[in-house]
Amino acid sequence: QKEVEQDPGPLSVPEGAIVSLNCTYSNSAFQYFMWYRQYSRKGPELLMYTYSSGNKEDGRFTAQVDKSSKYISLFIRDSQPSDSATYLCAMNDLGFQKLVFGTGTRLLVSP
Amino acid sequence: GAVVSQHPSRVICKSGTSVKIECRSLDFQATTMFWYRQFPKKSLMLMATSNEGSKATYEQGVEKDKFLINHASLTLSTLTVTSAHPEDSSFYICSARDGGQGFTDTQYFGPGTRLTVL
Repeated sequence: QKEVEQDPGPLSVPEGAIVSLNCTYSNSAFQYFMWYRQYSRKGPELLMYTYSSGNKEDGRFTAQVDKSSKYISLFIRDSQPSDSATYLCAMNDLGFQKLVFGTGTRLLVSP
Repeated sequence: GAVVSQHPSRVICKSGTSVKIECRSLDFQATTMFWYRQFPKKSLMLMATSNEGSKATYEQGVEKDKFLINHASLTLSTLTVTSAHPEDSSFYICSARDGGQGFTDTQYFGPGTRLTVL
């Protein structure tokens, strides 16, 4: 079993849709959770980071962490074609620097 | 803020040559930098963790004599692929940890270097 599971997609949605991207994990020690966006042939770009359980909102993006279920989500409201990219979840525990990544979900937003 | 650069962005070399890739944190000091490798449509594979002024820690299965890492300053780490072969062709990405944010442990990634070995 992988430490972090993420559906590779692709996930295809029409412009304006609400997108839900998810990851599950098995290590209960994970405390920090991050979402990165990666366009083709580019490095990952940090979108959101959260600590422990709860929600965090930034513009059209909302990150949600449910530690009891070991489940994290990224919601994108009013999705745009420019949101088409691969979204990677990543996490680690306090004091341990190595990030554990999901496989990434490819999102396609059609006009 | 939190910009990481990589140079070169693309390199093509002959089999048997060595290639050096630079990773720089432009507006923060990075006590720790990480080197990843990514195959097409695959996730990031951590190769090694590099702390300034000390030897890099390599992940299992990564040949440290082939992938030489040097972290000489708080803003620069280099990855040298020695005696490159076609199977080393890949997308190499570095990241830098912004230790100035305390426990946030946020990693910022460079734009990547595409290596093609002929």
